[in-house]
Amino acid sequence: DAGVTQSPTHLIKTRGQQVTLRCSPKSGHDTVSWYQQALGQGPQFIFQYYEEEERQRGNFPDRFSGHQFPNYSSELNVNALLLGDSALYLCASSPTRTSGRASDEQFFGPGTRLTVL
Amino acid sequence: GIQVEQSPPDLILQEGANSTLRCNFSDSVNNLQWFHQNPWGQLINLFYIPSGTKQNGRLSATTVATERYSLLYISSSQTTDSGVYFCAVERMNYKLSFGAGTTVTVRA
Repeated sequence: DAGVTQSPTHLIKTRGQQVTLRCSPKSGHDTVSWYQQALGQGPQFIFQYYEEEERQRGNFPDRFSGHQFPNYSSELNVNALLLGDSALYLCASSPTRTSGRASDEQFFGPGTRLTVL
Repeated sequence: GIQVEQSPPDLILQEGANSTLRCNFSDSVNNLQWFHQNPWGQLINLFYIPSGTKQNGRLSATTVATERYSLLYISSSQTTDSGVYFCAVERMNYKLSFGAGTTVTVRA
């Protein structure tokens, strides 16, 4: 059973550039969330995609955008990169929250480490 | 938003020792998860425990939802237990809010 996968593993960009990160959810999961983890801190929620739409968003600027494809995989795009965008970007997946279930366990991928110079 | 506080921030243990990590949260939650982050950044699921008690080998966890806290117990610690332990909660809005983590160092 394949877990959550992310690509690339590492990425180096310069200020002002744009970047796209990719995530494939765990088998049987259709909901994908993205998190940013700065050095020495806990992950911060960016947004969540379900049924190819952004369902929930954290406190991140519009430079952060995403997409979900019909096969449930997802992309995170960051435009006009700033030095402060350097972080570990984590993708998490979870199954459809069916009727009667208040929550579901989220599973994380290995992350993409982005360095902005 | 919901606040999550973890204590202690750092913990140094001798191999074989037992320890308790605590997670306090500011509001009622419908999800609580404990993770171990390895040196490469991978978040490994330890427990999905909105309430009650669970055990998995040398690890166990208890969540007292009515009092808004959770405890993670590590028994007979090993050097491979080193890393950062995170508590994360969700309050009916699909997003996990993480604490700042507890950094555990187990010395041989």
